[in-house]
Amino acid sequence: GAVVSQHPSRVICKSGTSVKIECRSLDFQATTMFWYRQFPKQSLMLMATSNEGSKATYEQGVEKDKFLINHASLTLSTLTVTSAHPEDSSFYICSASKLISNQPQHFGDGTRLSIL
Amino acid sequence: GQQVMQIPQYQHVQEGEDFTTYCNSSTTLSNIQWYKQRPGGHPVFLIQLVKSGEVKKQKRLTFQFGEAKKNSSLHITATQTTDVGTYFCAGPSSSGYALNFGKGTSLLVTP
Repeated sequence: GAVVSQHPSRVICKSGTSVKIECRSLDFQATTMFWYRQFPKQSLMLMATSNEGSKATYEQGVEKDKFLINHASLTLSTLTVTSAHPEDSSFYICSASKLISNQPQHFGDGTRLSIL
Repeated sequence: GQQVMQIPQYQHVQEGEDFTTYCNSSTTLSNIQWYKQRPGGHPVFLIQLVKSGEVKKQKRLTFQFGEAKKNSSLHITATQTTDVGTYFCAGPSSSGYALNFGKGTSLLVTP
């Protein structure tokens, strides 16, 4: 099956640090990738849709200047949490699907971000 | 997007008992997908239902899509400890590419 790799799996850093998370589709091309955020024991909340070669589409309430998304190739999207604060601590998960809509999404392993 | 409501939030069963989680939408869904997330893990795709009234089985798991395509259910027969995890239903967003996840049902199975 399709494989999505997400790195790093865990980050612990000081408040004010910027953190970059990478999401790669290993065996298929993903024009579109998605970034979700998940708080403990809660559902996945879509943050943004990452489009290869164009600007990301952010969900309402998500600060685009805070969560920078770059999708420079068909296999890589990055999420940068800028000037992270403790309230940004969460589980961030990316997913990718093949080019057709309504296709199953394949998730990365997630990144657990802890801001001290 | 098209919001999906999921119940119950938690379910604790003895091994061997059955389990069901329900998903409802106020609008018609073009399709619904089900995912399982083990504790500490990431969501894993289980199945997609597209047709009205569709029923699909995967071993002890039975998935149903309502006639009106507004509700769905996942039923597990004779649960095992390996079934532990959170089960999410997800409907398509307004764009058709992203997913709107239900809140999930966390299943705990004790031996």
